[in-house]
Amino acid sequence: DGGITQSPKYLFRKEGQNVTLSCEQNLNHDAMYWYRQDPGQGLRLIYYSQIVNDFQKGDIAEGYSVSREKKESFPLTVTSAQKNPTAFYLCASSGLSHTGELFFGEGSRLTVL
Amino acid sequence: GQNIDQPTEMTATEGAIVQINCTYQTSGFNGLFWYQQHAGEAPTFLSYNVLDGLEEKGRFSSFLSRSKGYSYLLLKELQMKDSASYLCAVKDSNYQLIWGAGTKLIIKP
Repeated sequence: DGGITQSPKYLFRKEGQNVTLSCEQNLNHDAMYWYRQDPGQGLRLIYYSQIVNDFQKGDIAEGYSVSREKKESFPLTVTSAQKNPTAFYLCASSGLSHTGELFFGEGSRLTVL
Repeated sequence: GQNIDQPTEMTATEGAIVQINCTYQTSGFNGLFWYQQHAGEAPTFLSYNVLDGLEEKGRFSSFLSRSKGYSYLLLKELQMKDSASYLCAVKDSNYQLIWGAGTKLIIKP
């Protein structure tokens, strides 16, 4: 079945450590996105990529990095520079439908100890 | 600034009808989306409105008034599985999505 797979689902990290969240899609979508979700707030865009080997900063890119070496993959690294990294992270992709709706992965919950 | 407003929480009874409102102020408008998100899970797409009026899809309908910056999601014949958060999002003039904080809907038997 086509979809988006995020891993790991749960992740614990000590302060000062970098961590990488995986996102893989087999929907043949060009565009991929990383969002952060915190309680009581709307989804906030971290980074997005509309084509392989190109990506753009979103509203809250500081302390995060991404790469887009393959169409199917868009990993997110949460660096030690991110001041408050504990959150629910959602990866999404979109194709060429007339609505452009997003398809989301199951999410990764990162907790910094 | 850009802003999406939704009620934080609503409660309704199984079998009833509930309307979840969303008002927006954005720089431009290129469509409005509603997503459903169960606790701890990914959002799933429910509806899309770009023209004024009502879009019906089974038990769910979504309405848009661009002149008023207003939309609502109408859920009929509520079922316990409809307990979830409902997210409103607007695509602005740069085709970027602006998200509301979501409305948590609680269904009681």
